[in-house]
Amino acid sequence: DGGITQSPKYLFRKEGQNVTLSCEQNLNHDAMYWYRQDPGQGLRLIYYSQIVNDFQKGDIAEGYSVSREKKESFPLTVTSAQKNPTAFYLCASSIGTGAYGYTFGSGTRLTVV
Amino acid sequence: KQEVTQIPAALSVPEGENLVLNCSFTDSAIYNLQWFRQDPGKGLTSLLLIQSSQREQTSGRLNASLDKSSGRSTLYIAASQPGDSATYLCAPGGEYNNNDMRFGAGTRLTVKP
Repeated sequence: DGGITQSPKYLFRKEGQNVTLSCEQNLNHDAMYWYRQDPGQGLRLIYYSQIVNDFQKGDIAEGYSVSREKKESFPLTVTSAQKNPTAFYLCASSIGTGAYGYTFGSGTRLTVV
Repeated sequence: KQEVTQIPAALSVPEGENLVLNCSFTDSAIYNLQWFRQDPGKGLTSLLLIQSSQREQTSGRLNASLDKSSGRSTLYIAASQPGDSATYLCAPGGEYNNNDMRFGAGTRLTVKP
């Protein structure tokens, strides 16, 4: 079955560490997205990519980095510059600009310890 | 910038009731609107996608309507069941860009047996 796989499900980060969240899709979707979700708030866009080797900043890109070397993969690195990284991170994908809707992964919960 | 509001923030109903969840958005220049369901600690599951040219979409006990000009959408759930308990999010999609899909904070629904 086609879908989006996010790993790990839970991730713990020490102060000053960089961590990378994985997102893989086998839907043959062109575009991929990373969102952050905090309790009681809507999802906020971190980065998105419309094609391989190209990506754009979203509303809250500071402290995060991404790469898009393959169509299927869009990993997110949470750097030490992100001062409040504890959150639920969701990856999504769409055909083109999203005219047919978005498909989401199951999320990664990141906690700073 | 698109602002999305969902009312009520939380709703508790007895099993069997019909209910309506409301979503309002400030920018009517949308391409589509998607309703999602999110279970605690999980990703988003797409329920319904309404294109801007449509007025409603139905799937089983769910019916979503869209009034683009007034910036409103409603999700109607018929004969609610305890399994419907979840958070429901609406997301209007922008007309041209991948970064234009915006999310409300959601309505947390509890259906009591």
